[in-house]
Amino acid sequence: SQTIHQWPATLVQPVGSPLSLECTVEGTSNPNLYWYRQAAGRGLQLLFYSVGIGQISSEVPQNLSASRPQDRQFILSSKKLLLSDSGFYLCAWSVLAFSYNEQFFGPGTRLTVL
Amino acid sequence: AQTVTQSQPEMSVQEAETVTLSCTYDTSESDYYLFWYKQPPSRQMILVIRQEAYKQQNATENRFSVNFQKAAKSFSLKISDSQLGDAAMYFCAYKDNNNDMRFGAGTRLTVKP
Repeated sequence: SQTIHQWPATLVQPVGSPLSLECTVEGTSNPNLYWYRQAAGRGLQLLFYSVGIGQISSEVPQNLSASRPQDRQFILSSKKLLLSDSGFYLCAWSVLAFSYNEQFFGPGTRLTVL
Repeated sequence: AQTVTQSQPEMSVQEAETVTLSCTYDTSESDYYLFWYKQPPSRQMILVIRQEAYKQQNATENRFSVNFQKAAKSFSLKISDSQLGDAAMYFCAYKDNNNDMRFGAGTRLTVKP
């Protein structure tokens, strides 16, 4: 069966510091991968998605970036964090072979920027 | 652009009763998918139920069912025999073949014992 991992689970970082969040998927090949951000009490905002290694599409211009160095690994990064980057970050995967192409989510990372 | 609207920020239901959560969407596509996700306090997003636009029959998963009205672009979720464990944020989501899933703002459901 497929599983998705995210780490760290929680992170507290000072303004201006770098960021690296990692997401890995097991049990499937060539998944589509997604990064979402959820502000407190709000819906999900799609940040990036990837359909393959090295292929990244950005939905929202910001100081965040994403990379996909391996088929089942998706990394969210920043060189300098802003206060507004605080939130709950969710990674998700989907596979076209699934008839509904639904997305399955990881446990998330809670990021607090002070 | 496709948008998803959940007009009820909060809803409450008595345990064992039935509650309906509303969702409307806007699209010019004819082929798409609709989903309801549940986010409990743990914040793990859990897929509850899904529907393909070309299927007229409403999807059902145990106590969860949908009322899909394609012409009205409405996709409501009905929870029957509500349980305390149903308390969560519920998100309606839309997806078409452009690899782009759109979420509504969510409805916070409270279940009263």
